[in-house]
Amino acid sequence: QKEVEQDPGPLSVPEGAIVSLNCTYSNSAFQYFMWYRQYSRKGPELLMYTYSSGNKEDGRFTAQVDKSSKYISLFIRDSQPSDSATYLCAMTDSGAGSYQLTFGKGTKLSVIP
Amino acid sequence: DVKVTQSSRYLVKRTGEKVFLECVQDMDHENMFWYRQDPGLGLRLIYFSYDVKMKEKGDIPEGYSVSREKKERFSLILESASTNQTSMYLCASSSDSGTQYFGPGTRLTVL
Repeated sequence: QKEVEQDPGPLSVPEGAIVSLNCTYSNSAFQYFMWYRQYSRKGPELLMYTYSSGNKEDGRFTAQVDKSSKYISLFIRDSQPSDSATYLCAMTDSGAGSYQLTFGKGTKLSVIP
Repeated sequence: DVKVTQSSRYLVKRTGEKVFLECVQDMDHENMFWYRQDPGLGLRLIYFSYDVKMKEKGDIPEGYSVSREKKERFSLILESASTNQTSMYLCASSSDSGTQYFGPGTRLTVL
């Protein structure tokens, strides 16, 4: 079983739609969860960072963690064409001294004007 | 703002050549990482370093080596480039918080 599962898409939505991106994981030791956005031919950029369970909101973006279900989500409200990118989830436990991240393979999102 | 820079955005090399990819970070981070990214395979960790002169193998170290002589600089070396090393190479750095910050990437083509 892979440690982190993420639907690769592609996901295509009309401008203004609410987008839901998800990852499931198997390692119950994971406590830190991140979402990265990666535009074509660029490096990933950190979008959201959460610790343990709960919600975190930043503008149009909301990150949600449900540790009991081993499930994390990223919601994008009022989606824009500029949100078209690949979204990667990442996570780690607190015990790894080198703080290696385990990544999902990414979901490709297209927001159509 | 954290800044991670990579020496080249695009690189074309021939089979058998020695290739150096350089990465520099300006945030005094202890940890630095090299990944390659291929369609359908996601990010794969090649090597990482948690201190100067220290290195640890990642998931796919074969055919690669690294050097970290200064805290801010982490180099990836392909001793004898092969066509299956054509890929996007990404460098990242992190502090003890665990959050990694990535450079812009180097797209390497080996002919």
